[in-house]
Amino acid sequence: DAKTTQPPSMDCAEGRAANLPCNHSTISGNEYVYWYRQIHSQGPQYIIHGLKNNETNEMASLIITEDRKSSTLILPHATLRDTAVYYCIATTRGGTALIFGKGTTLSVSS
Amino acid sequence: GAVVSQHPSWVICKSGTSVKIECRSLDFQATTMFWYRQFPKQSLMLMATSNEGSKATYEQGVEKDKFLINHASLTLSTLTVTSAHPEDSSFYICSAKSESNTGELFFGEGSRLTVL
Repeated sequence: DAKTTQPPSMDCAEGRAANLPCNHSTISGNEYVYWYRQIHSQGPQYIIHGLKNNETNEMASLIITEDRKSSTLILPHATLRDTAVYYCIATTRGGTALIFGKGTTLSVSS
Repeated sequence: GAVVSQHPSWVICKSGTSVKIECRSLDFQATTMFWYRQFPKQSLMLMATSNEGSKATYEQGVEKDKFLINHASLTLSTLTVTSAHPEDSSFYICSAKSESNTGELFFGEGSRLTVL
């Protein structure tokens, strides 16, 4: 799996968009970018994944740069319940276990 | 999305006893399940890969005789912490990969083990 780099922490005001960056400069052509989040004392929750096109679902949007060396997860209207650790993982689709880095701790405040 | 359930969600045991944690895929068949361990304020650490009908593959540094993994059916994997000690106290999380999904893994709610 390609190494990913994320800021250790970010703050966001409730109702505003949260933009979480991830660098994956060594990503290979067959590796997808996956995003998961972990709310305190729960198992990780799948958010979204993509290969090279931007993706959107009911939870978030994923913007991948054209060179695929970085991506941004966007939570369009953050709520207090979005406070969690967000993990960006680059891996082959349907491959082996996910290897988690330290992620970004997002704190949403009112 | 697919559902993975763990039981128990929390357990307290005495040092020297064994504890079994179950991981079930509720609405899909999982040929492969993964077990993770997470200490406070740390990230998830992969312990082992559990394949239905075969022996588990353990990550370096994880004692296979201490953490017994059984994956006897396509919907159930169990992790048994044998002769538990206080340093085994942790949050144990399983995940499952469905052959029919789009590649994402689904995680259980986690099981918090406290060894006294």
